[in-house]
Amino acid sequence: AQSVTQPDIHITVSEGASLELRCNYSYGATPYLFWYVQSPGQGLQLLLKYFSGDTLVQGIKGFEAEFKRSQSSFNLRKPSVHWSDAAEYFCAVDDNFNKFYFGSGTKLNVKP
Amino acid sequence: NAGVTQTPKFQVLKTGQSMTLQCAQDMNHNSMYWYRQDPGMGLRLIYYSASEGTTDKGEVPNGYNVSRLNKREFSLRLESAAPSQTSVYFCASSGSGGTGANVLTFGAGSRLTVL
Repeated sequence: AQSVTQPDIHITVSEGASLELRCNYSYGATPYLFWYVQSPGQGLQLLLKYFSGDTLVQGIKGFEAEFKRSQSSFNLRKPSVHWSDAAEYFCAVDDNFNKFYFGSGTKLNVKP
Repeated sequence: NAGVTQTPKFQVLKTGQSMTLQCAQDMNHNSMYWYRQDPGMGLRLIYYSASEGTTDKGEVPNGYNVSRLNKREFSLRLESAAPSQTSVYFCASSGSGGTGANVLTFGAGSRLTVL
């Protein structure tokens, strides 16, 4: 079965600092990869996705993610964090059979 | 607005009671899903339906049943609720992307408490 690991449960960064959230997956082939964001009390919103091709993908709100096949990783980055980025972030994979698996999430706190 | 609508938003049950969570999407998506979200565990797939007329178990199906009523609607039923089923439930749907991959669109969630 597929698995997705987000090793950081909580991360705190200062506003304006850079951010990197880690995601590792376990899958025999290259799955489709996603990052979702959940603001408190809300549903999940897609930030970005990787299907194939360029390993650096751009998403909404200034986020980007890099797929590294050798490390089975799909880390999310942002050069300068804004207070409104405080939320919970989920990495997810699609095993190419329409089944989506999620990591346990990383809660981001932003210090003023 | 187009999207995924799930009801109810909040529900409190007593142990042993039954209830059905309703979900409908108006995006003509083939696939629909039910997830539960618990603190520190992310989202776990309960059941999914790849197309109308088909359903399949996900990671945590025990204690749940589903019905894909038609292409639009996918309901989740708890026949005899247990406190362990206290959770936030999300319905989602996905369509076919240009490259063949799908993207999930989520409902707003249903918070269920079982006493």
